[in-house]
Amino acid sequence: AQSVAQPEDQVNVAEGNPLTVKCTYSVSGNPYLFWYVQYPNRGLQFLLKYITGDNLVKGSYGFEAEFNKSQTSFHLKKPSALVSDSALYFCAVRSYYNQGGKLIFGQGTELSVKP
Amino acid sequence: EAGVTQFPSHSVIEKGQTVTLRCDPISGHDNLYWYRRVMGKEIKFLLHFVKESKQDESGMPNNRFLAERTGGTYSTLKVQPAELEDSGVYFCASSQAGVYAYEQYFGPGTRLTVT
Repeated sequence: AQSVAQPEDQVNVAEGNPLTVKCTYSVSGNPYLFWYVQYPNRGLQFLLKYITGDNLVKGSYGFEAEFNKSQTSFHLKKPSALVSDSALYFCAVRSYYNQGGKLIFGQGTELSVKP
Repeated sequence: EAGVTQFPSHSVIEKGQTVTLRCDPISGHDNLYWYRRVMGKEIKFLLHFVKESKQDESGMPNNRFLAERTGGTYSTLKVQPAELEDSGVYFCASSQAGVYAYEQYFGPGTRLTVT
């Protein structure tokens, strides 16, 4: 069965410090991996995706994520956190074999960046 | 370019009543998805349309839920009769036709409360 785990319900970071939001996945075949962010009272916004190629992918707002096949992980990172990065972050996966395209999401991680 | 829109943004109904949620995808997007997030848990897939055809409805919880996409444009999701456990945030997403590696664009969601 396909699944995504975000082991931390909440991550607290001081502004200016690096941040990491963890994600591991389980899927048959090659994974397509995505990160989305939800700001308060807003919908999900696409941040970045890994389809193939370079394991380090860069996305919106200075975020990046590293695909690690051996550890089945796709952690979201940012070198220097901003207070405005505070939001709910979702990791999602789709199997290459799932031609329908439905996404399997993790439970979400609440990121709080303090000044 | 207008994003995915959903109506209403909030709905409060009593158990046993009927509610219809609407989603307008991004113009030209053939793929339309419905997802639901219940009680702070993970976002779960409900169903997928390709144009007006249901491609995958494996996530629909039961026959109280009916989704339509007449003419391949907007979609409606009807819950009849609503139960307490149907409360949650219902998201709609759309993506381009063809290659399913494309990211899905999400609407702001409809928060449904069944009392």
